[in-house]
Amino acid sequence: QQQVKQSPQSLIVQKGGISIINCAYENTAFDYFPWYQQFPGKGPALLIAIRPDVSEKKEGRFTISFNKSAKQFSLHIMDSQPGDSATYFCAADSSASKIIFGSGTRLSIRP
Amino acid sequence: NAGVTQTPKFQVLKTGQSMTLQCAQDMNHEYMSWYRQDPGMGLRLIHYSVGAGITDQGEVPNGYNVSRSTTEDFPLRLLSAAPSQTSVYFCASSPRQGLGMNTEAFFGQGTRLTVV
Repeated sequence: QQQVKQSPQSLIVQKGGISIINCAYENTAFDYFPWYQQFPGKGPALLIAIRPDVSEKKEGRFTISFNKSAKQFSLHIMDSQPGDSATYFCAADSSASKIIFGSGTRLSIRP
Repeated sequence: NAGVTQTPKFQVLKTGQSMTLQCAQDMNHEYMSWYRQDPGMGLRLIHYSVGAGITDQGEVPNGYNVSRSTTEDFPLRLLSAAPSQTSVYFCASSPRQGLGMNTEAFFGQGTRLTVV
């Protein structure tokens, strides 16, 4: 049972553009929503995370938007750069359960 | 500070062979887990441990065994390798999971396993 649905599977964005990746979850017990970034040949690394008591969190060019009523959250990368080219995973976690990852989005930023 | 160390980085097995993927962390983390990464499937949890002596199954545990005799080490054993187990395996650790203390998971560099 897939509890976190992520889209799109792949995304190509021009340098300087905005990259948007979307995720939806089902279990309302989730209370922590991290995004992980993975470069080829490396393990995933935490990029940014949000808790459901806020609707938005921004760290530099990366922003998470969170819609609790719709059970959706998204990652926005402003002024996308070639160095942002990577695979991005959303995830959902809770105190009483195990972290569940989305299926991943392969992002390519064209120079 | 090495973080999470996985060995080997690459491995080719024949169908039916057994092997152990090693994972060690030096951050004194209680929670450790194993994932497999397959194209279009994301990261799927195989087994996890909330502390030494305690392990539990994840989403895709069949064909794998784990043990946690120390805080530092969490090996993953393939009992009889099958082509369906061809994947990239990641070990992760975090300070704590549960009790409202969701925290960052630290991943190793991965082991690319091919079963022929």
